Amino acid sequence: GNSVTQMEGPVTLSEEAFLTINCTYTATGYPSLFWYVQYPGEGLQLLLKATKADDKGSNKGFEATYRKETTSFHLEKGSVQVSDSAVYFCALGRNYGGSQGNLIFGKGTKLSVKP
Amino acid sequence: DSGVTQTPKHLITATGQRVTLRCSPRSGDLSVYWYQQSLDQGLQFLIQYYNGEERAKGNILERFSAQQFPDLHSELNLSSLELGDSALYFCASSVGQEAHTEAFFGQGTRLTVV
Repeated sequence: GNSVTQMEGPVTLSEEAFLTINCTYTATGYPSLFWYVQYPGEGLQLLLKATKADDKGSNKGFEATYRKETTSFHLEKGSVQVSDSAVYFCALGRNYGGSQGNLIFGKGTKLSVKP
Repeated sequence: DSGVTQTPKHLITATGQRVTLRCSPRSGDLSVYWYQQSLDQGLQFLIQYYNGEERAKGNILERFSAQQFPDLHSELNLSSLELGDSALYFCASSVGQEAHTEAFFGQGTRLTVV
């Protein structure tokens, strides 16, 4: 079936360090891929997305490239800030039939950035 | 603020009881999704409605039911509650019914069953 696997956390980094959070997926067809972020006490917010192979999603300094050959969508940021501390979720949405819009989420990776 | 409103924010109830969670989607959004977030299971999709009709069903228990009303708000009903139903329940909404349309999440309802 369809699934998402992302690296276990927590991840602790110093401010200005480089961030990579790995995400791989299993899906039939050509899914859309997403990264959502959840700040403490809040709901999930879309961080970035990519809808087809080789697309790069980017937002707020974060980037992820849809790699069909490795079934991956790793999240990267060149220089993290304390304000980036949150839980990050990788997700896929199946694009078949056009009538089902639910997302399948990974388990989440908690990021803590220390000053 | 995502524009998605969930009430109540917190709910504490006893085993065997029934509760109703409410969700008002963003203005103009026709799809509503319900998700359950727990420590052991992570974020699990429960059910999707689009313009009043059920579109997709995930790991939703038979004790749970949902509906979307003509004004597009949605309710999730949980009955015969068990301790294991304690979780954070999120509602999300999107304009379309397809996976690539952005979903906006509410802040969730934290349900505690005692």
